[in-house]
Amino acid sequence: QSVLTQPPSVSAAPGQKVTISCSGSSSNIGNNYVSWYQQLPGTAPKLLIYENNKRPSGIPDRFSGSKSGTSATLGITGLQTGDEADYYCGTWDSSLSGGVFGGGTKLTVL
Amino acid sequence: EVQLVESGGGLVQPGGSLRLSCAASGFTFSSYWMSWVRQAPGKGLEWVANIKQDGSEKYYVDSVKGRFTISRDNAKNSLYLQMNSLRAEDTAVYYCARSGQQLDYWGQGTLVSVSS
Repeated sequence: QSVLTQPPSVSAAPGQKVTISCSGSSSNIGNNYVSWYQQLPGTAPKLLIYENNKRPSGIPDRFSGSKSGTSATLGITGLQTGDEADYYCGTWDSSLSGGVFGGGTKLTVL
Repeated sequence: EVQLVESGGGLVQPGGSLRLSCAASGFTFSSYWMSWVRQAPGKGLEWVANIKQDGSEKYYVDSVKGRFTISRDNAKNSLYLQMNSLRAEDTAVYYCARSGQQLDYWGQGTLVSVSS
């Protein structure tokens, strides 16, 4: 059971938009920055969003992040087949004094 | 270009030990926190441990406390994870990652299999 809660899977058609939620508590999301990671099949995770809503260099603006209270959301617009991957939210948990991740969400582009 | 290259994984019997290494290049290693994250086969990501720039602070997930030790050698631009008393549930790909408020660069991972 992960500290952060994500839906196991989401799907949408090419060109459409999808959102992935990440729910936590005051000890993690509520008081710390959230980051999002994309893991393509057979590869290492890659940073997609940091500090709730910032994109590293090279990440297209089709990817966006937001945070409200103890929840965060990743949005992906203009879906492409190449976006099919597992997506994870992550943050620091001040009570656990450790990093925490969501269980991951598998995105299928139909 | 930032590069992180893990090594040291392999097959070990339950109760055994392994030492993972992560060679860093392309950035000032001594200026960053560093982390280990693992992923069991077919499962999600699990944060394992992290270490401050000078090694003065270390944090661990509860399941490895007392068994794993994270360390670093800034002169060698290297991060380590000493794993003792290994259990079957420690079987995973272990990634090292450069840390700040986020894990912004990851290595390709090294597989640790614990089995008799």
